[in-house]
Formats: sequence, C-alpha cells, structure tokens
Amino acid sequence: AQSVTQLDSQVPVFEEAPVELRCNYSSSVSVYLFWYVQYPNQGLQLLLKYLSGSTLVKGINGFEAEFNKSQTSFHLRKPSVHISDTAEYFCAVSDRAGNTPLVFGKGTRLSVIA
Amino acid sequence: DTGVSQDPRHKITKRGQNVTFRCDPISEHNRLYWYRQTLGQGPEFLTYFQNEAQLEKSRLLSDRFSAERPKGSFSTLEIQRTEQGDSAMYLCASSISLSADTQYFGPGTRLTVL
Repeated sequence: AQSVTQLDSQVPVFEEAPVELRCNYSSSVSVYLFWYVQYPNQGLQLLLKYLSGSTLVKGINGFEAEFNKSQTSFHLRKPSVHISDTAEYFCAVSDRAGNTPLVFGKGTRLSVIA
Repeated sequence: DTGVSQDPRHKITKRGQNVTFRCDPISEHNRLYWYRQTLGQGPEFLTYFQNEAQLEKSRLLSDRFSAERPKGSFSTLEIQRTEQGDSAMYLCASSISLSADTQYFGPGTRLTVL
C-alpha cells in the first residue's frame, strides 16, 4: 500500500517570492507521482507527473517538481508565485502495475499575499 | 472534448433519504473513478470501473454506497439512508486504461446532509 505525507498544511508566501511545497511518499513498489491543484469550488487539475526518466519534471503555470528516490520525496517548486496561484495543492501516488488508484496527501493550502 | 461533468453540483438532503449522483466521463476514456473529499482532506478513493466492469469496490465506505456504469459510459453513485457523516464533496475522474494516464477530474458534487 502507498501513503503520501504533505508536510505543510498551509504555506503563506508573498507575491513574486519562490515557494516549495513538500511531499514525501511511502510505497513497497515502484510508483508514479503526481501534483494536482484545486481552485475554490472546482475539481482537481493536473500540474505535472513523474513517470520515468529525468527526475526534474516541468508542469503547467511555471511549476516544477523533483523526484528523489533515496529520500522518497517529490517536492513542488515555483521560482516566483502570483496571486492566481492561491489554491490547494495535492500530491498523489499510484503504483506502476495499475492495481491501485491515486492515493492523495491531505493537501497544502498555498496563500499568496500581495 | 467537454471534460468530465457531474450532476448535480450541489445536493442538500435530509438524513435518511437516498441520493444519486451522475458522472459523465470524457468520451474515449475507459476508466472511471469515484472519490470522496471531506473538508481539509485529500480525495479518498471509493471505487472504479474499467468500461462497465467494477474492478474495485472494497473501499466503498459501507453497504449503503453503490455505484454502477451499466453501458460503460456514464456512472451513478448512490447513497442510501444518508447520514450526516456522508456530507462531503464527491469527485469523479476518468482516464484511458493505462496506470500512467492522467486522471481528469470533474467539478464534483457537494452533498450536505441535514
């Protein structure tokens, strides 16, 4: 079974500052890793995913994440945030065999302050 | 491609009543998933279908919960004898069959049980 821990429930940051949202996972099998964003009263939208290959993954809206197998982490970063990035961010994992659906963390609320 | 749609977007019901939610996936997607999201938590997997076959239903929260996808297209999630603890956002997602494929989420149905 897999599990995901998002270490910060809330992250306030000033506009144009960099941000890192932390995610650690636990799994006994190889996994795929995902970051989703949820804006108020909307469904989840995929930001980026790691399947294989380069450990640095670039996604939409200027976000990127780095897969670190030894630390079982998949932290999300953005060099300069905008007010419009204010949202809930979820890290998720699924096993490569396709036998399990997505397992989500509890989410990190990113608040960008003008 | 109109995306995943869910109906209704909001449902208010009295305790003990039955409710049914509908999900229409992206047309060429074979897999359809149901998740539940409570306040301050990430989505929690409930069940999923590959075409019309329900491949996993052990995660349904109780025998009051059931789901169908009779023709492999739209799906319904029914909750019988609703309880206040069933109040949550119910999310539907769809994907092509492979485990690495992105799950596309609908906007969700928010259920309030009075």
